[in-house]
Amino acid sequence: DAGVTQSPTHLIKTRGQHVTLRCSPISGHKSVSWYQQVLGQGPQFIFQYYEKEERGRGNFPDRFSARQFPNYSSELNVNALLLGDSALYLCASSPGVDLGETQYFGPGTRLLVL
Amino acid sequence: KNEVEQSPQNLTAQEGEFITINCSYSVGISALHWLQQHPGGGIVSLFMLSSGKKKHGRLIATINIQEKHSSLHITASHPRDSAVYICAARRADGLTFGKGTHLIIQP
Repeated sequence: DAGVTQSPTHLIKTRGQHVTLRCSPISGHKSVSWYQQVLGQGPQFIFQYYEKEERGRGNFPDRFSARQFPNYSSELNVNALLLGDSALYLCASSPGVDLGETQYFGPGTRLLVL
Repeated sequence: KNEVEQSPQNLTAQEGEFITINCSYSVGISALHWLQQHPGGGIVSLFMLSSGKKKHGRLIATINIQEKHSSLHITASHPRDSAVYICAARRADGLTFGKGTHLIIQP
């Protein structure tokens, strides 16, 4: 079975632009969560979506938004990019809504904002 | 102060040594994850713990809920164990991650 996939793998943007990152969960998984990992730090929780509804939100500004589609894939959108948004963006999927379940991570999207 | 603290931040050891990585958290949690991250970024889930102890191969994870502390042990360490090990606490508002422990096992 395919694991969690993310696209694109790498992305370069300039300040003020917006970006859309995509995540496809493992087949049968209904929860997708998004994380930002700045170089040298641990990941930070951004959002969780389950059954197409937002179920959790971390301490991120409104420039960050996400949605989940009927096939359970998900998009993370970031508007008005700042230099500080440069990071590895990870998504993870799991069968149920509880983030205490084992989470299956994708390879990540590396975003560089110039 | 981060609500999830890991120690040590960096650890270099010789092949075969017994490794311990510690994770302390300051708030109540329902579960704790141990994750392994290799260069390039991919993260693999090693353990999910809500109490007691779990073992998988050469890896052992323990948690003491009362003391708000968890440890990850690696027995008979091997260069392929070199990676960043991250603990993540399940709280009501999501997952809170430690900064990670960068482990290098030298042959």
